[in-house]
Amino acid sequence: NAGVMQNPRHLVRRRGQEARLRCSPMKGHSHVYWYRQLPEEGLKFMVYLQKENIIDESGMPKERFSAEFPKEGPSILRIQQVVRGDSAAYFCASSLGGQGDTEAFFGQGTRLTVV
Amino acid sequence: GENVEQHPSTLSVQEGDSAVIKCTYSDSASNYFPWYKQELGKRPQLIIDIRSNVGEKKDQRIAVTLNKTAKHFSLHITETQPEDSAVYFCAASIGSSASKIIFGSGTRLSIRP
Repeated sequence: NAGVMQNPRHLVRRRGQEARLRCSPMKGHSHVYWYRQLPEEGLKFMVYLQKENIIDESGMPKERFSAEFPKEGPSILRIQQVVRGDSAAYFCASSLGGQGDTEAFFGQGTRLTVV
Repeated sequence: GENVEQHPSTLSVQEGDSAVIKCTYSDSASNYFPWYKQELGKRPQLIIDIRSNVGEKKDQRIAVTLNKTAKHFSLHITETQPEDSAVYFCAASIGSSASKIIFGSGTRLSIRP
């Protein structure tokens, strides 16, 4: 049973390009969470999704950021027109139920660098 | 707003001594409190968690205590070893649905040989 898989592990984008980050949850998990981690800082909640639904996106910037978790395939975090301040590690986590009910497992993260 | 505060931000202890990390939370409805360990360049991994219906939980050298009245909880690591060096994050569930976890800012623990 593979763990939470994120790809790519490293992503370099020029300012103004789009970044697409993928997360495949653990088998059987239907809850996905995205967090952003700046260097030397903590994990900032961005969005919580279940299959085909966004449950809580209160941590997502209102512009340029979007997330989806389709019926088939991985969850996608999309950042349009990236800026230098978007450079960070983006972690995805998945759980069987809501995080308060079951353990959340993290992926290895995608390290985004905007040049 | 919803907030989890964590102290200290850095902690250095002699190998074999104990380490204590403290967190406070703001949402009185929080009922789930996990602790994660993150080694350099790696993913956060759950090391222990506690729910609001208990005041203390222990797993070998790691223990967590919870004071719901004061809204704070602590991680205790005894007989520290070099492999305990990492960043530790406390977290708290937000709201009665407990579907969102808010993390503290992390504590960088260094174990001196």
